[in-house]
Amino acid sequence: QQPVQSPQAVILREGEDAVINCSSSKALYSVHWYRQKHGEAPVFLMILLKGGEQKGHDKISASFNEKKQQSSLYLTASQLSYSGTYFCGTLRRNAGNMLTFGGGTRLMVKP
Amino acid sequence: DTAVSQTPKYLVTQMGNDKSIKCEQNLGHDTMYWYKQDSKKFLKIMFSYNNKELIINETVPNRFSPKSPDKAHLNLHINSLELGDSAVYFCASSQVAGGELFFGEGSRLTVL
Repeated sequence: QQPVQSPQAVILREGEDAVINCSSSKALYSVHWYRQKHGEAPVFLMILLKGGEQKGHDKISASFNEKKQQSSLYLTASQLSYSGTYFCGTLRRNAGNMLTFGGGTRLMVKP
Repeated sequence: DTAVSQTPKYLVTQMGNDKSIKCEQNLGHDTMYWYKQDSKKFLKIMFSYNNKELIINETVPNRFSPKSPDKAHLNLHINSLELGDSAVYFCASSQVAGGELFFGEGSRLTVL
């Protein structure tokens, strides 16, 4: 079952912050985050394995609330290069190796 | 050296034809996958292949079949192509099952 991402689209000015949410109706083992630029393949950002885990990557960070089956991606002081579609991927317990992606969040950063 | 490579990058064909897309990874990874990305950008898992164990997404029609001649290759064969099969197909690999995915550049299939 596909995780649900919100919002579907975000438009920001350079330097502004954004939060992208990902939620699942099933118990999760891990959450992945990827970014895909137009015409390119998705690129890995980070993986969160434990409930309560938080990770950072430059000015992009994420948290994972295992109890609520939710993850959030935080983009701070956005740059033009952050534009793209962000996907969360969830791995459910006892559901094989298949990472299931959400519908994506299109982020556009304007000068 | 491209880590995950797919061929062809573009494929235009008629309904009813059979086609294959090849995928090779030189990362020494144990698990390979096929994903389908439709026009609305939904990324849908089709198959996961790990150490000769194939896991199939039950929503994938049996016209689609993965073939793995060895650990570094996972090809996708599609029989009796339909209009709805038009999409970008991404191959990916991970070092361990459920780990970070490395995607190929994608193969855009157009069925006329």
